[in-house]
Amino acid sequence: DQQVKQNSPSLSVQEGRISILNCDYTNSMFDYFLWYKKYPAEGPTFLISISSIKDKNEDGRFTVFLNKSAKHLSLHIVPSQPGDSAVYFCAAWGGRDDKIIFGKGTRLHILP
Amino acid sequence: KAGVTQTPRYLIKTRGQQVTLSCSPISGHRSVSWYQQTPGQGLQFLFEYFSETQRNKGNFPGRFSGRQFSNSRSEMNVSTLELGDSALYLCASSATGGLSEQFFGPGTRLTVL
Repeated sequence: DQQVKQNSPSLSVQEGRISILNCDYTNSMFDYFLWYKKYPAEGPTFLISISSIKDKNEDGRFTVFLNKSAKHLSLHIVPSQPGDSAVYFCAAWGGRDDKIIFGKGTRLHILP
Repeated sequence: KAGVTQTPRYLIKTRGQQVTLSCSPISGHRSVSWYQQTPGQGLQFLFEYFSETQRNKGNFPGRFSGRQFSNSRSEMNVSTLELGDSALYLCASSATGGLSEQFFGPGTRLTVL
């Protein structure tokens, strides 16, 4: 029973264009969402987060949008750069258990 | 400030053996969480320790156990290894757990033959 779903295992985007990574969740009790980025041979690093009381949070080239009614969030990267090529994990916190639940990740390839 | 360190970085074991992985959190952090990453399952939560007590536990069998010492260093033990235990094991430290930001270590890649 996957509570956090990233349905696209991989995504390829041209350098300079917008990358949009999607994430769906099933537990309406989740009230805090995070995105992590992971390079090979390294641990995930925190990228950006959003609280359920907001619908948008922006940090430089990264913007996260939250649609609570659809239980959907997305990460937008504009403009995409070669260094953005990595695996991106969506994560959610809240609900009955005080722990972070991760999605399976989406591998982003930025094409030259 | 030194980051999260995990030892060893790579490990090869055979089925039936047991293994102990170690994690040293960022100085001052009291929460250590362990995750298993496999290609098919992504990042799955194993357990969290806070001030030497297990505070949360994921859905893993009892072969997976852990502990935390008074200096916040944590160990994870897997007994009676199975082929399916081959994975990257990540440890994350945070100041207080919960919503406080997690910092991940580089992971220990365990291969079970």
